[in-house]
Amino acid sequence: QKEVEQNSGPLSVPEGAIASLNCTYSDRVSQSFFWYRQYSGKSPELIMSIYSNGDKEDGRFTAQLNKASQYVSLLIRDSQPSDSATYLCAVVPWSNDMRFGAGTRLTVKP
Amino acid sequence: NAGVTQTPKFQVLKTGQSMTLQCAQDMNHNSMYWYRQDPGMGLRLIYYSASEGTTDKGEVPNGYNVSRLNKREFSLRLESAAPSQTSVYFCASSDGADQETQYFGPGTRLLVL
Repeated sequence: QKEVEQNSGPLSVPEGAIASLNCTYSDRVSQSFFWYRQYSGKSPELIMSIYSNGDKEDGRFTAQLNKASQYVSLLIRDSQPSDSATYLCAVVPWSNDMRFGAGTRLTVKP
Repeated sequence: NAGVTQTPKFQVLKTGQSMTLQCAQDMNHNSMYWYRQDPGMGLRLIYYSASEGTTDKGEVPNGYNVSRLNKREFSLRLESAAPSQTSVYFCASSDGADQETQYFGPGTRLLVL
């Protein structure tokens, strides 16, 4: 089992819709969770971090964490074509080395 | 602020050749990291340096060496390149106060023939 798992996609949503990206992790003692966005040919950039159970909102982005289910998600409201990118879930497990999922490719169609 | 810079942007090597990838950051961060990114594999940590003078192995260290030259610079060396090392290499840094928020450089695309 991979430490951090994401659906590879591609996930396609129409402009203005909600995009839902999901991630599960295997290390129960993980405490820190991150979502990075990576445009094609570019480097990852941090979108959100979340440390406590529940929701965390930042503009059109909402991160959701459920430690009991070992599940973290990212919702993008009012999706725009500029949101088309690969979204990487990252988790800091007990070893303290950040582990990344393989990413979910999102396409927002005008 | 340039953030995190990497050189070169692109390199082609023949099997057995050696090269050093350079990374520098101007954010006064304590921690620096080297990752490789392969299709379908996500980012995998090669080596990291929690502070000047220290380095530690990550998930995939075999075939690589690193040097933390000073607080700003962290280099990655391939002593004898192999086709399996064809990848995109990213350097990242993070602040000691918030070690887990990492800032990435633009990447180096390496092709080993």
